[in-house]
Amino acid sequence: AQRVTQPEKLLSVFKGAPVELKCNYSYSGSPELFWYVQYSRQRLQLLLRHISRESIKGFTADLNKGETSFHLKKPFAQEEDSAMYYCALAYSGAGSYQLTFGKGTKLSVIP
Amino acid sequence: DVKVTQSSRYLVKRTGEKVFLECVQDMDHENMFWYRQDPGLGLRLIYFSYDVKMKEKGDIPEGYSVSREKKERFSLILESASTNQTSMYLCASSDWGAGNQPQHFGDGTRLSIL
Repeated sequence: AQRVTQPEKLLSVFKGAPVELKCNYSYSGSPELFWYVQYSRQRLQLLLRHISRESIKGFTADLNKGETSFHLKKPFAQEEDSAMYYCALAYSGAGSYQLTFGKGTKLSVIP
Repeated sequence: DVKVTQSSRYLVKRTGEKVFLECVQDMDHENMFWYRQDPGLGLRLIYFSYDVKMKEKGDIPEGYSVSREKKERFSLILESASTNQTSMYLCASSDWGAGNQPQHFGDGTRLSIL
């Protein structure tokens, strides 16, 4: 069965420090991975997906199939990055693709 | 821009009541999903639907049912509400296609069962 693990419930960093949110997955198929973010009092929204290979709000994530990881990184944290971050894996099920989410990491950027 | 609208932001019901949560999307998406979001547990899939009148169980379907009579609307039903169903409920939709299609979420309904 597919699984997504985010080992840190809470991560606190100082403004300007590098950030790395860890995500490991377990899946027998070809993985499609996403990072979603939920800012305070806002809806859950897509931050980035591995297939796009893009940088969004300064964040990047590289799929490492050897280590089965998809860590989210940003070189210099900003206060507005404080939010809840979820890593998600798409898997093929009945009729469509579904997402399995990790339990989330709350990022707190200290001014 | 995709719009997923959940009918209520906050809802308070009593134990044993039948509760309806409504979700509407405006992008003609085939797939719709219901999750519950609990602190420390992340998002857990309750039910999903990949077509009108089609429904599939997710990871935690017990105590819930769903209805999809029209493509744009997906309803979650708590047949007999219990206190352990107090939670934040999120609806999402996605387009048909490969696994890299993102899901778009509504604002959520915070449901309290007294």
